[in-house]
Order: sequence, then C-alpha cells, then structure tokens
Amino acid sequence: EPEVTQTPSHQVTQMGQEVILRCVPISNHLYFYWYRQILGQKVEFLVSFYNNEISEKSEIFDDQFSVERPDGSNFTLKIRSTKLEDSAMYFCASGSERRYGYTFGSGTRLTVV
Amino acid sequence: GNSVTQMEGPVTLSEEAFLTINCTYTATGYPSLFWYVQYPGEGLQLLLKATKADDKGSNKGFEATYRKETTSFHLEKGSVQVSDSAVYFCALSDYTFGNEKLTFGTGTRLTIIP
Repeated sequence: EPEVTQTPSHQVTQMGQEVILRCVPISNHLYFYWYRQILGQKVEFLVSFYNNEISEKSEIFDDQFSVERPDGSNFTLKIRSTKLEDSAMYFCASGSERRYGYTFGSGTRLTVV
Repeated sequence: GNSVTQMEGPVTLSEEAFLTINCTYTATGYPSLFWYVQYPGEGLQLLLKATKADDKGSNKGFEATYRKETTSFHLEKGSVQVSDSAVYFCALSDYTFGNEKLTFGTGTRLTIIP
C-alpha cells in the first residue's frame, strides 16, 4: 500500500536554529498538508498546499513557517528560528480528493532544546 | 466554528468486550466525519469515514454511523482484541465553505488486556 514517508523520524535542534522537515507524499496525490501534535494535546492543522501554493493556513503557521514542493516529489516544512514551544510531532499528509480523508506519514518528532 | 468532542480516556477493556467511543461534533456546514487510529510509535491511520448523514463507515470490525440529528459519530466494535490497543481520534472536515482542514478531537487511548 502506498505510504507517505517522513524524514527524519526524530530531530533535535537548538533554539533559534532553522530546521527543515521532509516528506515524500504519495505520488499521484494532489493535496498536501502539515499537522502537528504537541505531546498529550490535540492534533492541530498547520497548512494545506495545492497547485504549488498554500490554500489554507492556521494561526499557528506564522512567518516563521514556510512550505515548499521543490522538485515535484518532496514536500518540506521549514521553521526559520525554532522556539521551545515548537517541540512537537509533525505529521505530513497527502490526499487525492479532499472530501475523503488523507494518508498521514508516521511523523517527525522535533525536540527544541 | 467547527469542533469535535470525544470521550475522555483512557479506556481499558478486557479482550472480547464491546467497545464504544463517543464522538459528537459541531459544524457550520455538511461535514465529512472520520476516525483515525494511532498505534504506538506510528502515525495516524484512517480507520473509517462517512461523508453524509446516515452513512455507516466500517473497517476491521469497527463501525460508526453519521447521525445528523444527534451530531454524533460514535465508534463501536463488537469484540475487541489486544491488537486494537491504540489512540483513536474522531475528526471532521467541512468543505461546504471551502474549509479543508481536519479538525480533531483530543483522542481516546484504548488499552485491551488479555
């Protein structure tokens, strides 16, 4: 069964450093997403991406965050200057039709120290 | 705005017991409803979905019926197994007004003991 692949599985970074989280969505999917889950809390929407542009973003997704689909296969989330409160599990997801749910990756656990 | 309220956990059951995890929602339009499952150390997996009122989603022995009159989408399974131990998330998406994000409940941790 096709999978969404995320790398790395765990990243530790120092506060103030830039970090890039990488995702390879399912190849024929058109819609791409990032969510995050702070330990013990809800899964929260960050951003959706379609047709090479952001289609929706949450209040969490401020100027410190950006997304890119640089080469037609990867989908990246960049955090420019990480804060302690960015520590969370970040999930990438992709879908072929928005109404029917999408496939999540196994996540990248980001720890900011 | 949209919201999902689900049963607080953790829930502990014996193997072969009947499972219900309650989920209710608030939405401004006509949402699609989902249950996702997160096994230990893994990502979120779509368990089942329903896209309109009275639809029943089912998978791996789990079922949930989209009840518009009670704004509910309760998850049920007749006989749980140890392998069902996981965290279960109820979620909705509402594209009626172009809002495509998934809104999740807080998750319910289920532990099945042999």
